Amino acid sequence: GENVEQHPSTLSVQEGDSAVIKCTYSDSASNYFPWYKQELGKRPQLIIDIRSNVGEKKDQRIAVTLNKTAKHFSLHITETQPEDSAVYFCAARRRGGSQGNLIFGKGTKLSVKP
Amino acid sequence: DVKVTQSSRYLVKRTGEKVFLECVQDMDHENMFWYRQDPGLGLRLIYFSYDVKMKEKGDIPEGYSVSREKKERFSLILESASTNQTSMYLCASELTDTQYFGPGTRLTVL
Repeated sequence: GENVEQHPSTLSVQEGDSAVIKCTYSDSASNYFPWYKQELGKRPQLIIDIRSNVGEKKDQRIAVTLNKTAKHFSLHITETQPEDSAVYFCAARRRGGSQGNLIFGKGTKLSVKP
Repeated sequence: DVKVTQSSRYLVKRTGEKVFLECVQDMDHENMFWYRQDPGLGLRLIYFSYDVKMKEKGDIPEGYSVSREKKERFSLILESASTNQTSMYLCASELTDTQYFGPGTRLTVL
């Protein structure tokens, strides 16, 4: 089955710097890759996603890139702000004859220092 | 605005008790999920359901069961709670790939 590895597990940056979180997946049939953000004490929420027919997607200060050949995808946050501090989860999903489930990475705790 | 609610934010139970965690969504979503969240382990899927009265095992179903009698409600049952089931439990419903999570139930088994 699918396996998703996420790195780093913790990341600390200065406000205004960029942050990059990387994930690799094992199942080449996976075709949907979302990123969820979980602030302290709150529920995870989808912040951006990408499908396998697209190489990059951007939404204001966040972007996601996908390399299907290498089976990895990354979240990029530019001009980080203290409110970006949270745990970020990547996930992968395989669509096939039966519905596939999201397989989540173990999470990255991002700390943005003012 | 999608709303997913869970019956309790915090719950303390004793070893051997039967525990019910309930999840309700108000958006007529067909797909619902139960996850367990532990530090350093991410979100692990316990059970899921794609329709009323339908249930399928996720990655860590041992010690758990589920019930989906109505479309909006998905219940997680711990038949005989054990200390290693102390965790945060998150329910989610799904529409076109996006999962909407509930606030979570922090369960402590003593």
